[in-house]
Amino acid sequence: DAKTTQPTSMDCAEGRAANLPCNHSTISGNEYVYWYRQIHSQGPQYIIHGLKNNETNEMASLIITEDRKSSTLILPHATLRDTAVYYCIVLSGGTSYGKLTFGQGTILTVHP
Amino acid sequence: DAGITQSPRHKVTETGTPVTLRCHQTENHRYMYWYRQDPGHGLRLIHYSYGVKDTDKGEVSDGYSVSRSKTEDFLLTLESATSSQTSVYFCAISDTRQGSEAFFGQGTRLTVV
Repeated sequence: DAKTTQPTSMDCAEGRAANLPCNHSTISGNEYVYWYRQIHSQGPQYIIHGLKNNETNEMASLIITEDRKSSTLILPHATLRDTAVYYCIVLSGGTSYGKLTFGQGTILTVHP
Repeated sequence: DAGITQSPRHKVTETGTPVTLRCHQTENHRYMYWYRQDPGHGLRLIHYSYGVKDTDKGEVSDGYSVSRSKTEDFLLTLESATSSQTSVYFCAISDTRQGSEAFFGQGTRLTVV
């Protein structure tokens, strides 16, 4: 599975959009981009995933560039409770088990 | 929240003693996973199960065993706990083989003294 690169930390003002970037320049055609987050001392939480097209759900939007080498997770109106570590993960739709591996992620701090 | 419960939530044990952590789900998901999380290492897969009595090793399986006698329960056993197994352990369930869109439990903080 392709490696991902994320900034170590980001800040965002409450009520503003939080845009979290992720680079995955070696992504291959059958690999999906997944986003999870982990709020302090809790289990990771699935947010959203996508292959080629932009995706939106009740939590966030995912924008994937046309060449698929990078993506951006958007939290449209960040709240203090969105402060967490955000993980960008690339997974193939292949036969490997348990390939959900988390790197260091981006620490997002939402401040008043 | 997905119906996944880990027990105990916290445990302190002595080196050399056996320890069993339990993961219980009410979602009827086929795949279950045990991970450990340590500073600087992210989340690492210990063992996984792809059905009742079907289990296999992950990347850090030494010193751990698992069992799954029912769809809803996945047990992680430390046969003889060591200080290096002090960690936070997470169970996850998924409908997909590679563990995507997984639901995670709240974690078990294990301290081996």
